[in-house]
Amino acid sequence: NAGVTQTPKFQVLKTGQSMTLQCAQDMNHEYMSWYRQDPGMGLRLIHYSVGAGITDQGEVPNGYNVSRSTTEDFPLRLLSAAPSQTSVYFCASRTTSGAYEQYFGPGTRLTVT
Amino acid sequence: DAKTTQPTSMDCAEGRAANLPCNHSTISGNEYVYWYRQIHSQGPQYIIHGLKNNETNEMASLIITEDRKSSTLILPHATLRDTAVYYCIVRPAPDQTGANNLFFGTGTRLTVIP
Repeated sequence: NAGVTQTPKFQVLKTGQSMTLQCAQDMNHEYMSWYRQDPGMGLRLIHYSVGAGITDQGEVPNGYNVSRSTTEDFPLRLLSAAPSQTSVYFCASRTTSGAYEQYFGPGTRLTVT
Repeated sequence: DAKTTQPTSMDCAEGRAANLPCNHSTISGNEYVYWYRQIHSQGPQYIIHGLKNNETNEMASLIITEDRKSSTLILPHATLRDTAVYYCIVRPAPDQTGANNLFFGTGTRLTVIP
């Protein structure tokens, strides 16, 4: 299994540009989520999904959109990038049973100038 | 959700046990204690979790006090590769409200010294 994969690894945007961060998992996990991590801080939940067609907001959802059309994919869209969205973004997925541990992707480092 | 308090940083000599404390004095009866770690520039990695009893797996041991207000993560023989930020997280049971959210604080930065 590849686990949780994210693309791109690095991205530089200008203010106002839009882009989509991709996240995919091959573990057939129903739950997927997006976090952002700013320097020296812990992770903050942006959006999450409990299954295809179902999404919900986390702690810091403003400026981000998500959709979940398949079990495998959970893209994060920035509609109009702002410098405050400069951060490292992590996607995660988890099982619906057992230890409930989350599996995290390697992250996308985004800079908005 | 109950929140946690951890020391900002700790050092441990290579080969010795690393004991990472966590205070969660407001934990409620159906909330679990989870530990994750984040090695520099990587995504967080699950280590272990528990409810009331002490737990052990191939990575670590988790000791939870009888009143559940604090816990300790033990890495029995720390190696240089254990240098990371360790997060102690309290979360509700899977079927409870808020179970989908993991609240990551700033964690404990553990440095394993050769």
